[in-house]
Amino acid sequence: EVQLVESGGGLVQPGGSLRLSCAASGFTFSSHEMNWVRQAPGKGLEWVSYISTGGSTIHYADSVKGRFTISRDDDKNSLYLQMNSLRAEDTAVYYCVRDSGSYLRGDSWGQGTLVTVSS
Amino acid sequence: SYELTQPPSVSVSPGQTASITCSGDKLGDKYVWWFQQKPGQSPALVIYQDYKRPSGIPERFSASNSGNTATLTISGTQAMDEADYYCQAWDSSTAVFGGGTKLTVL
Repeated sequence: EVQLVESGGGLVQPGGSLRLSCAASGFTFSSHEMNWVRQAPGKGLEWVSYISTGGSTIHYADSVKGRFTISRDDDKNSLYLQMNSLRAEDTAVYYCVRDSGSYLRGDSWGQGTLVTVSS
Repeated sequence: SYELTQPPSVSVSPGQTASITCSGDKLGDKYVWWFQQKPGQSPALVIYQDYKRPSGIPERFSASNSGNTATLTISGTQAMDEADYYCQAWDSSTAVFGGGTKLTVL
């Protein structure tokens, strides 16, 4: 069974940093592209970042570019999101999302981890 | 930046057909994905590459994409289909979601 389990969320002050992790199991993690998608409370979905297999290609939403860094450790079957210079508008549930090729994108989602940026 | 527009809400009676639209400039030239999110749950993929259903998604879910509009159609809508639905497309290596449509089955 495919499982994606996010962790690392919590309360952080504006300007602070947080590192999210996503532990993958039940599939060959190294063979899949991965994404982070977030959802502010009561709002819609917002794509945050993408990383290719091997980590050679990375893309970010303009809203997080220069502040967030996506990475992966295939030996640990884990995806990460380093979030710096956090703002109130970064408050959201952050989902780890698997792609299965260029077409079957978003085929598995984690349960999400809540990040709250507030003083 | 690229934008996708969805109606905020759609209502349908049980057993009837629900249609949810997603519009964007020359959207038909891109592939569209559709996600379903039930209250308190993570989103789930229901349509990929414009019209294809992942395994386990009922045949009553279908979709099309042409011109500036993609459409998700749910035939014989059931109470369990009540959820928020989001369309998604990729533009210039970034993913864009529509604002979401709340489907009410009443």
